[in-house]
Amino acid sequence: AQTVTQSQPEMSVQEAETVTLSCTYDTSENNYYLFWYKQPPSRQMILVIRQEAYKQQNATENRFSVNFQKAAKSFSLKISDSQLGDTAMYFCAYNFNKFYFGSGTKLNVKP
Amino acid sequence: KAGVTQTPRYLIKTRGQQVTLSCSPISGHRSVSWYQQTPGQGLQFLFEYFSETQRNKGNFPGRFSGRQFSNSRSEMNVSTLELGDSALYLCASTPLAGGRGDTQYFGPGTRLTVL
Repeated sequence: AQTVTQSQPEMSVQEAETVTLSCTYDTSENNYYLFWYKQPPSRQMILVIRQEAYKQQNATENRFSVNFQKAAKSFSLKISDSQLGDTAMYFCAYNFNKFYFGSGTKLNVKP
Repeated sequence: KAGVTQTPRYLIKTRGQQVTLSCSPISGHRSVSWYQQTPGQGLQFLFEYFSETQRNKGNFPGRFSGRQFSNSRSEMNVSTLELGDSALYLCASTPLAGGRGDTQYFGPGTRLTVL
C-alpha cells in the first residue's frame, strides 16, 4: 500500500532564511504525481507545488522548490526567503489513482 | 470562479446521532473527494465520487457514506456518531475522476464535534 511519511511534525525558521521539509513515500508504481499542499491557520488548503514522477527536472514555483529523488522515494520541499505568511501546516501527497497524504509538518516562521 | 464550498462550517452533535455534510465543487468540476483530518493523522481518504458514482473508497466503516447529485454537489453522511468521529471533514474537487495528476481544490472544511 502507498504510504507517505513526513518525519518532522514541527519546524521553525527565521524570516528570510531557508527551510527544507522532508517527505518520503512508498510505491511500486512508476508514473505518479507528488504534491505539496499548504494549510494556513484556519484557512483553506492550497497547492504549493506539483511534480510529475516521469520528469527528471525538479519543480519550482517562485520561492518554493523540490528535491525529487525518485530512486530514494524522497520528495523534499525547500522554502527560500521564508516569509511570515508561510506559517502553516504543510502536507506532502502522493497521487496515482487516489491521493495519499502525509501527517503534515507544522512550520512556524519567526520574525 | 467560486471555490469549493462546504456547509455547515461547524457542527456539534452527540454520540449516536447522525450527520450530513454538504459540498459544492468548483463549477465544471465533476469529481468530489472527501477526507477526514485529525491531529497527528493527517488526511485520511474517505471516498471519491464522479458522475454520481463512487469511484474510490478508503478504509472507513460503513457508518460513513456519501452520494453525488447530477449537478456534482456531494453529501457525506455519518450515522451512529462516535467520539472519534470528531474531526475536520474536507471536500476537494477535480475536473476529472481518478484524474492522475490533477490538482485537488479544497473547501474550507466542516468542523464536526461529537460530544
